[in-house]
Amino acid sequence: DGGITQSPKYLFRKEGQNVTLSCEQNLNHDAMYWYRQDPGQGLRLIYYSQIVNDFQKGDIAEGYSVSREKKESFPLTVTSAQKNPTAFYLCASSIQQGHEVFGPGTRLTVL
Amino acid sequence: SQQGEEDPQALSIQEGENATMNCSYKTSINNLQWYRQNSGRGLVHLILIRSNEREKHSGRLRVTLDTSKKSSSLLITASRAADTASYFCATDKGTYKYIFGTGTRLKVLA
Repeated sequence: DGGITQSPKYLFRKEGQNVTLSCEQNLNHDAMYWYRQDPGQGLRLIYYSQIVNDFQKGDIAEGYSVSREKKESFPLTVTSAQKNPTAFYLCASSIQQGHEVFGPGTRLTVL
Repeated sequence: SQQGEEDPQALSIQEGENATMNCSYKTSINNLQWYRQNSGRGLVHLILIRSNEREKHSGRLRVTLDTSKKSSSLLITASRAADTASYFCATDKGTYKYIFGTGTRLKVLA
């Protein structure tokens, strides 16, 4: 079955630590996205990538970094510079001007 | 910045009733999409409507788009308890970048 996987499902981070969230897709989609969702809120775009080895900042990129070395993979690193990282993180992929397919999400909690 | 804004923020109806939620946006679009999110889960795509379309149906779902008013509506007919979820609209301005609204929380009471 084609789809998007995110791991881990739950992640705990100590203050000052960097953590990396995994996102993998086997849909052969060119574009991939990372969103942050806070309780009762909509989605805010962190980073997106239209093609391998290229990515752009979204609305709230500060404190985050990404890489796109392979078409299938778009990992997100939450750095210690992100002061309020506790949130639900959603990865998605799409073809051009098509709908986005979402992964199940990773819930990150800072201890 | 938020492009789409859903209205109402929350909606509670009885099973069997129809649910209508609206989305307004600010700038011209190529297409508009509706998604559903069950609590603590990823989003599921429902319908994509292009800027040259006025209405689309999918099962119990009906979406309309009025580009002159920069608004869209999602109608769920004969609602079921399983329809309880948050519903989001998302707009695409011709790039790969989609912008999501803040969502409508729908509760269907059995």
